[in-house]
Amino acid sequence: DTAVSQTPKYLVTQMGNDKSIKCEQNLGHDTMYWYKQDSKKFLKIMFSYNNKELIINETVPNRFSPKSPDKAHLNLHINSLELGDSAVYFCASSQEFNEKLFFGSGTQLSVL
Amino acid sequence: GDSVTQMEGPVTLSEEAFLTINCTYTATGYPSLFWYVQYPGEGLQLLLKATKADDKGSNKGFEATYRKETTSFHLEKGSVQVSDSAVYFCALLGGSQGNLIFGKGTKLSVKP
Repeated sequence: DTAVSQTPKYLVTQMGNDKSIKCEQNLGHDTMYWYKQDSKKFLKIMFSYNNKELIINETVPNRFSPKSPDKAHLNLHINSLELGDSAVYFCASSQEFNEKLFFGSGTQLSVL
Repeated sequence: GDSVTQMEGPVTLSEEAFLTINCTYTATGYPSLFWYVQYPGEGLQLLLKATKADDKGSNKGFEATYRKETTSFHLEKGSVQVSDSAVYFCALLGGSQGNLIFGKGTKLSVKP
């Protein structure tokens, strides 16, 4: 079984649409994260959730909102998609904050 | 701010060749340093880490030594295998909010 799974793997959509990316971990970890890999290949933290409490929110537009229905899930909802949102988004989890992260395989988002 | 610089890829080697992937960092204080690996079609996973100067992290035949004097954490392996083909990410734990800060990743291809 995949430890951290995210869906969809590929997402192609029009500018202005609203979309969600789902993430689930079956490791029993307490912390989950969303990272964005930009066009220059840098991985940058977007959000972290620890027991459903937001503990980090970097300078991310408020069009992005993480939603955690339970400890095993952290979904990323994006409103009013823009061209610059095109990137690969990675979900991750860890037992302790920033210690030994396990990543999903990524969601490639293309905004047309 | 804190940052990580790693050598540009791709790196192509023959099986059993010696591998070095350079990584240097800029940070205040003494951050923990990590190497993550992403195998094809999978998410990133922790390969090794070092938490203080002169520490050597090792795993699966890979090694990296925390060099404070040169602010480096180069990844080495004495004899690579085809199964080592992956993208390798250097990272540090730092920044104003204690985030993981990643380098751009270096793609390694090992030919039989």
